[in-house]
Amino acid sequence: AAGVIQSPRHLIKEKRETATLKCYPIPRHDTVYWYQQGPGQDPQFLISFYEKMQSDKGSIPDRFSAQQFSDYHSELNMSSLELGDSALYFCASSYRSQGASDTQYFGPGTRLTVL
Amino acid sequence: AQSVSQHNHHVILSEAASLELGCNYSYGGTVNLFWYVQYPGQHLQLLLKYFSGDPLVKGIKGFEAEFIKSKFSFNLRKPSVQWSDTAEYFCAVNAYGNEKLTFGTGTRLTIIP
Repeated sequence: AAGVIQSPRHLIKEKRETATLKCYPIPRHDTVYWYQQGPGQDPQFLISFYEKMQSDKGSIPDRFSAQQFSDYHSELNMSSLELGDSALYFCASSYRSQGASDTQYFGPGTRLTVL
Repeated sequence: AQSVSQHNHHVILSEAASLELGCNYSYGGTVNLFWYVQYPGQHLQLLLKYFSGDPLVKGIKGFEAEFIKSKFSFNLRKPSVQWSDTAEYFCAVNAYGNEKLTFGTGTRLTIIP
């Protein structure tokens, strides 16, 4: 079965640079979520989109922005990178049916290292 | 806002031992409950979930969990663990109609052959 695809899998950036992470949900899934997992920590919710509209927002810095496109893929844009942004960034997708969300399926993650 | 507690941070067991990992949540409304597993260097994979109905849910790889509403608990169990179960286990919850997942801090499980 098709899974969530994330690219790139690994990314190394310098401080103050920008980064763009991409997420391709499971086919027919209409909802995308972004999570950040720091070293040895649990995943923290950043932001989610349903039908190309932002549906919820968590602890996402103002330096970060995201959007969902017409083909349902999503991009997380990160600017003015800081050392503390080094983490594993997971994307998850689900199919929202009858107003209630279904299970979230996670992608392999993008490991971002900021030097 | 909901929160999740996993009291066991690191559990070490021998193969064939029985496993129970604790998970307690804090939220006054209806919740959906999940257990995810993260093998070393890999992404989160769904083990099992509870939305409604039978509070004893069975998942993949012989895992099961029981939802006890009065105790706000959703403990994960497996009668006989294998070396391949070595991984990090996360309990997660979302409120009905609010999709974002809140994770516990995770339990690292190490199985000794």
